[in-house]
Amino acid sequence: ELKVEQNPLFLSMQEGKNYTIYCNYSTTSDRLYWYRQDPGKSLESLFVLLSNGAVKQEGRLMASLDTKARLSTLHITAAVHDLSATYFCAVDIRDDKIIFGKGTRLHILP
Amino acid sequence: DTAVSQTPKYLVTQMGNDKSIKCEQNLGHDTMYWYKQDSKKFLKIMFSYNNKELIINETVPNRFSPKSPDKAHLNLHINSLELGDSAVYFCASSQGRWGYTFGSGTRLTVV
Repeated sequence: ELKVEQNPLFLSMQEGKNYTIYCNYSTTSDRLYWYRQDPGKSLESLFVLLSNGAVKQEGRLMASLDTKARLSTLHITAAVHDLSATYFCAVDIRDDKIIFGKGTRLHILP
Repeated sequence: DTAVSQTPKYLVTQMGNDKSIKCEQNLGHDTMYWYKQDSKKFLKIMFSYNNKELIINETVPNRFSPKSPDKAHLNLHINSLELGDSAVYFCASSQGRWGYTFGSGTRLTVV
């Protein structure tokens, strides 16, 4: 059974600092997604990574995918309070079935 | 226009009742899903339909029954509600490899 593990699950950090969230998965896949969820809200798509070596950037967030290592990272540069949210990675294990990690709850202190 | 809309947003009901949640998408996507998010924020797939045909049916009690009258709609009916059914239920749709678009969620509380 596919396992998708995020690390860390909780992260409290100061504004202005850099940090990385890791997403490991246990089976072959070349499709990985990152979502953001604010408290009490829905999930918002951040990045779609569709091939080995894919790198996507949006503002202070950058995501990458290494399919050989079965690893994706979400890097936060110079964090700001507005980035506080829960971040999920999700792996597509076959057409139309996506398995989510447990989420990383990110709290950025002003 | 809301891309994936769910109703109701909140649902409070007593144990043993039967309830339905409705979902509609106007994106023209072929595939729709139901996910359950528990109190620890863990998201678990329940069902998916592709063009009205059931393609994923995870280990879910048979008290849960999805119905897709057309490819733009996927409803979830729950019989004999139990306390453990309390959660947020998300509808989503997808087309191809581009991931999902989620609805706003339905917070179900069983008392």
